[in-house]
Amino acid sequence: GAGVSQSPSNKVTEKGKDVELRCDPISGHTALYWYRQSLGQGLEFLIYFQGNSAPDKSGLPSDRFSAERTGGSVSTLTIQRTQQEDSAVYLCASSSRVNYGYTFGSGTRLTVV
Amino acid sequence: GIQVEQSPPDLILQEGANSTLRCNFSDSVNNLQWFHQNPWGQLINLFYIPSGTKQNGRLSATTVATERYSLLYISSSQTTDSGVYFCAVVDNQGGKLIFGQGTELSVKP
Repeated sequence: GAGVSQSPSNKVTEKGKDVELRCDPISGHTALYWYRQSLGQGLEFLIYFQGNSAPDKSGLPSDRFSAERTGGSVSTLTIQRTQQEDSAVYLCASSSRVNYGYTFGSGTRLTVV
Repeated sequence: GIQVEQSPPDLILQEGANSTLRCNFSDSVNNLQWFHQNPWGQLINLFYIPSGTKQNGRLSATTVATERYSLLYISSSQTTDSGVYFCAVVDNQGGKLIFGQGTELSVKP
């Protein structure tokens, strides 16, 4: 597509529920990144993919967080048993190659109540 | 890991004024990018500038990699320039961008 698409744009969930966040990168972009931004804070790295593999998943906060990418395209970030501290904006970016210019999506605002 | 420090943390300008934002980083890098996050949260890539100088309209950026800093210049500022400006770098071992804490710019009419 023309840009990075994320869905849903907003998600309100009850504490303890699982959520799935989706990222559809720019067509042909091999690298895909997930970041998290809490209110008024900077961007916290979560995980990145080169193709379908994840060379660096060091930023995932706990084993409740997982991500996958299939077909070198769409990625899904899954948060199990959500907690209130998971509330944040989850941002996805893609680039034509690792370490090149990033294009960000509009993010998914997750609120855990 | 690599540290990224931005200054100033906040900046208020009158429309039409010029400004310089600074980004210092603690180790050698092979990638540096500047982003603008508008008040609606959208992050826009302004420059991919691991070294040298680039210009795009009223914005320009310079990175001096050997001295571990980058500068973003905004000339003739407009209210639409308001938002947070982030600098981000990748160290020589990694594949991910590490972001600074940002400079929050407010341009008053």
